[in-house]
Amino acid sequence: AQSVAQPEDQVNVAEGNPLTVKCTYSVSGNPYLFWYVQYPNRGLQFLLKYITGDNLVKGSYGFEAEFNKSQTSFHLKKPSALVSDSALYFCAVRPPFTGGGNKLTFGTGTQLKVEL
Amino acid sequence: DAGVTQSPTHLIKTRGQQVTLRCSPKSGHDTVSWYQQALGQGPQFIFQYYEEEERQRGNFPDRFSGHQFPNYSSELNVNALLLGDSALYLCASSARDREGQPQHFGDGTRLSIL
Repeated sequence: AQSVAQPEDQVNVAEGNPLTVKCTYSVSGNPYLFWYVQYPNRGLQFLLKYITGDNLVKGSYGFEAEFNKSQTSFHLKKPSALVSDSALYFCAVRPPFTGGGNKLTFGTGTQLKVEL
Repeated sequence: DAGVTQSPTHLIKTRGQQVTLRCSPKSGHDTVSWYQQALGQGPQFIFQYYEEEERQRGNFPDRFSGHQFPNYSSELNVNALLLGDSALYLCASSARDREGQPQHFGDGTRLSIL
């Protein structure tokens, strides 16, 4: 069975400082990993993904994430946080395509708060 | 290019009633997945449809059922509603022939059970 852990319920950071939102995963085989962001009363918006290739992936709005296979982690990062980045962030995992569907398993989410 | 659209946006029901939620996938997508997001939780996978059949199912009771139409749109039906069914129901779409591409989500239907 696949699972995702986001160990921090909330992360606080000052605007202009770097931010990290942590994610670890468990899945059989090579994982497909995703980060989504959710603003209040909205659905999930895709930020970035890791399928294969470079361990550092770049996504929307200046976000990036580093895949670490030995630590089974996929932490989300941004060099300089903005107040507008304040939102709920979800890490998700799915196994490689097996013909049986592409079910996503999500973590419990991390609330990011960026303050002036 | 319209994204994933869901209707209605909000719904209030009482225990024991039945509800139908609707989803139109993003243009070019043929696969629809449904997720339940309880307050303060991450989305939980309910089931997935493509080629008008349920292909994968999460750990949800038979009270949760669905349908996919030839135009790829989908419905989620929940019977005998319980207080615990109160949640945001999210629809996500994707294309089966684009392996590894992300699922695109709608803004959800907020279901409240009284």
